[in-house]
Amino acid sequence: AQTVTQSQPEMSVQEAETVTLSCTYDTSESDYYLFWYKQPPSRQMILVIRQEAYKQQNATENRFSVNFQKAAKSFSLKISDSQLGDAAMYFCAYRSARGGANSKLTFGKGITLSVRP
Amino acid sequence: GAVVSQHPSWVICKSGTSVKIECRSLDFQATTMFWYRQFPKQSLMLMATSNEGSKATYEQGVEKDKFLINHASLTLSTLTVTSAHPEDSSFYICSARDGTSGRGREFFGPGTRLTVL
Repeated sequence: AQTVTQSQPEMSVQEAETVTLSCTYDTSESDYYLFWYKQPPSRQMILVIRQEAYKQQNATENRFSVNFQKAAKSFSLKISDSQLGDAAMYFCAYRSARGGANSKLTFGKGITLSVRP
Repeated sequence: GAVVSQHPSWVICKSGTSVKIECRSLDFQATTMFWYRQFPKQSLMLMATSNEGSKATYEQGVEKDKFLINHASLTLSTLTVTSAHPEDSSFYICSARDGTSGRGREFFGPGTRLTVL
């Protein structure tokens, strides 16, 4: 079974600074997806970034980028120029590319990010 | 992006009554929908996978007679909490998968807060 580990329960960053959120996972598969989701106080799950395992290039979405290390099974999220609106709970998630549409997301425990003004 | 709605957004009910939560994909057809439960400051826990026109697949430990799931059309899945008790109070989130492969994107509803008195 796949597992996703987020070992830091909380982090804090100064506004405009950069912060990196860590995530490791365990799988025996070679074809899969990795995600970072943001859950603000409204509790709406928002997709931040998605990485396909067969792509070597790290995904980037504006101020958000990942460091995907497939061999090390590491998938960290870097938030640059942190803004107050980035304060939220962030979840790392894994999904196998096999299993068709029923393939399930496996979430980490999440990390609460606070942004200091 | 694709939109998934949930209704109601919050509900308060008396112990022993049943509550139905609707999950709709508004601008795409979803052959697969997922139901999650989330406690405060915790991760999402998958309850069941719902496929249009067939019985839902429940995760281990989830009472299928208590949490009835129906996926009657490609745009609607419902979760009915039967004979609700205070311990069923939680935040329930649905998601819908766009497409029939494991490569489809997943879109989350805004969640439903259930309080059982």
